[in-house]
Amino acid sequence: EVQLVESGGDLSQPGGSLRLSCAASGFTFSNHAMSWVRQAPGKGLEWVSSISGSGGSVHYADSVKGRFTISRDNSNNTLYLKMSSLRAEDTALYFCARDPGAAPQPRYFFDYWGLGAPVTVSS
Amino acid sequence: DIQMTQSPSTLSASVGDRVTITCRANQKISSWVAWYQHKPGKAPKLLIYDVYTLESGVPSRFSGSETGTEFALTISSLQPDDIATYYCQQYDTYPWTFGQGTKVEVK
Repeated sequence: EVQLVESGGDLSQPGGSLRLSCAASGFTFSNHAMSWVRQAPGKGLEWVSSISGSGGSVHYADSVKGRFTISRDNSNNTLYLKMSSLRAEDTALYFCARDPGAAPQPRYFFDYWGLGAPVTVSS
Repeated sequence: DIQMTQSPSTLSASVGDRVTITCRANQKISSWVAWYQHKPGKAPKLLIYDVYTLESGVPSRFSGSETGTEFALTISSLQPDDIATYYCQQYDTYPWTFGQGTKVEVK
């Protein structure tokens, strides 16, 4: 059974940093691109970042480019999101999501999601 | 960026009703559209991808269609378990973008 479990969500002051983790199980992690998608309170879904199965290709939304870094550890089946220079508008529930396409061809939509990690940015 | 304008934002219908949610892209895109169902406190669930293809295990009352730059999700007979918020997503061009969501309620 595919499982994605996010952790690391917390309260941070503006300008602070946090690192989110997503522990994956039930599939061959390195075969799948992975993404982070967020949902601000009362708002819809917003794609944040994606990384290929090998980790060699990454993409970011303009709203986080230069501040967030996506990475993965295929030996430990874990996806990460390092968030720096946090702003109030980064407050959201952050979901980890799997791309169903097997490497080397991602599909660019998401077939499994976690429950999310809450991030609050406030002084 | 490709914008997906989703409507309506809220929909109230009776059990057994046929319900349609639409997303309009602000430019021509290929048939790279997915639909998700999201219930509070749960993980979003993939319903349909590539406009028409039903994800495994999803009830056949859900279907997808397209007409030009407008994409639609139809529930042929609304069930109580369908109460949720629904989102479209385009994956034609980065950045991937979602519609604003449609909250479906039962009358």
